[in-house]
Amino acid sequence: EAGVTQFPSHSVIEKGQTVTLRCDPISGHDNLYWYRRVMGKEIKFLLHFVKESKQDESGMPNNRFLAERTGGTYSTLKVQPAELEDSGVYFCASSPGIVAEAFFGQGTRLTVV
Amino acid sequence: AQSVTQLGSHVSVSEGALVLLRCNYSSSVPPYLFWYVQYPNQGLQLLLKYTTGATLVKGINGFEAEFKKSETSFHLTKPSAHMSDAAEYFCAVRRFGNEKLTFGTGTRLTIIP
Repeated sequence: EAGVTQFPSHSVIEKGQTVTLRCDPISGHDNLYWYRRVMGKEIKFLLHFVKESKQDESGMPNNRFLAERTGGTYSTLKVQPAELEDSGVYFCASSPGIVAEAFFGQGTRLTVV
Repeated sequence: AQSVTQLGSHVSVSEGALVLLRCNYSSSVPPYLFWYVQYPNQGLQLLLKYTTGATLVKGINGFEAEFKKSETSFHLTKPSAHMSDAAEYFCAVRRFGNEKLTFGTGTRLTIIP
């Protein structure tokens, strides 16, 4: 069974540009999460989808971040326009339900220069 | 609000020695507790978790952790370190009924030959 897949694995963009990160969860997992780790800091929750609905987006930093999960399958996280402080590793995770283990992808390392 | 404190951002132990990684949490109610590991160039992998029941939890690769409510701790141990244990370890908590994980800042474990 394929795990959680994220791409790209690395992205380097200039300040002001737009970047879109993609996450393919494990098939059949209704719950999808985005997390971010800024260098040296803790991994922080960004948002949670249940199928295509946003269950909790309390961790989204500001309105430059837009997450979507059309059709309840893969998800995208767009940053527009990117700022220097957006640099970090963005993790996606999925789980089949409450209390169930969340499976994480390898992460996308975003560098904004 | 919940928080997680991991003492020591870097820990070095000799091969064959005891591994002890510390985690303390603050929560108004006993949470679910997790340890994740990230090996180089890989995603986060669940090592072990405590939800209810026995307070000593055994995980993969010989690791275990004990939930101590009176000390609000969930320290990770392994009796004998192996070179393959070199990785970054994250303690996390999740409140009952809430899906999102709150992580500590991580501890990078180095094994000295």
